Amino acid sequence: DVKVTQSSRYLVKRTGEKVFLECVQDMDHENMFWYRQDPGLGLRLIYFSYDVKMKEKGDIPEGYSVSREKKERFSLILESASTNQTSMYLCASTPAGERVQPQHFGDGTRLSIL
Amino acid sequence: EDKVVQSPLSLVVHEGDTVTLNCSYEVTNFRSLLWYKQEKKAPTFLFMLTSSGIEKKSGRLSSILDKKELFSILNITATQTGDSAVYLCAVEGEVGSEKLVFGKGTKLTVNP
Repeated sequence: DVKVTQSSRYLVKRTGEKVFLECVQDMDHENMFWYRQDPGLGLRLIYFSYDVKMKEKGDIPEGYSVSREKKERFSLILESASTNQTSMYLCASTPAGERVQPQHFGDGTRLSIL
Repeated sequence: EDKVVQSPLSLVVHEGDTVTLNCSYEVTNFRSLLWYKQEKKAPTFLFMLTSSGIEKKSGRLSSILDKKELFSILNITATQTGDSAVYLCAVEGEVGSEKLVFGKGTKLTVNP
C-alpha cells in the first residue's frame, strides 16, 4: 500500500528559527510535492521535485526552500520562520509516466510559528 | 492562470439526503480532474476523470466530467455521518507536469 510519511503531526517553533519539515515515501515515486493548506484558500503548491536534486517553484515559494538528496525524501525548509507561515503542510508523491496518476498525500504537519 | 472553483463552500444535510458537489475549472491544457476526500488528516483519493460523459462510481459516490462546459460533479447518495469531510477538486492542466491546481474545497456536514 502507498505510504507517505511526514515526520511530525504537530510542530511549534519561534519566529526567526530555521524549520525543517521532512517527508518520506516508500513507493519509489519520482515526483514529490509540498503544499500548504489554509482555511478559505485551499491547497497551494509551494515546491515540487521531479527527481533527485531537481526542484521547481510552485505558486507560493517565497520564504521556503527544499532539498531532495534521495529519491524517497523531500524536505521543506523555512529559512527564517514567520508567523504567516503558520499553516497545515501536506506532502504528496506520484510516479512519473505518461499515464496520469493521482497524488498520494501524507497526514500533514500542523506548524505553529509563535 | 489555471483556476478551479468549487461550490458550495459548505453544506449541511441530514443522513439519507443526496448531495451534489460542483467543480468548475479553467486550465490551459486539461489532462485530468481528481476528487479527494479529506477528513482530519491526509486527503484520500476518490476519482480521476479524463473523459467526458463517463460516470465513475464507487458505492454511494459517483462523479462525471463535462469537458465542453468545463465542470464536474460529485454525487453522494444516502449520505451517512461518515461522509462528513472536506471534498477537494483538483485539475491537472500542464502537459508534461503532474502539478495539480486545487479548488478551495466543499465542507460537507452530515447530521444524524
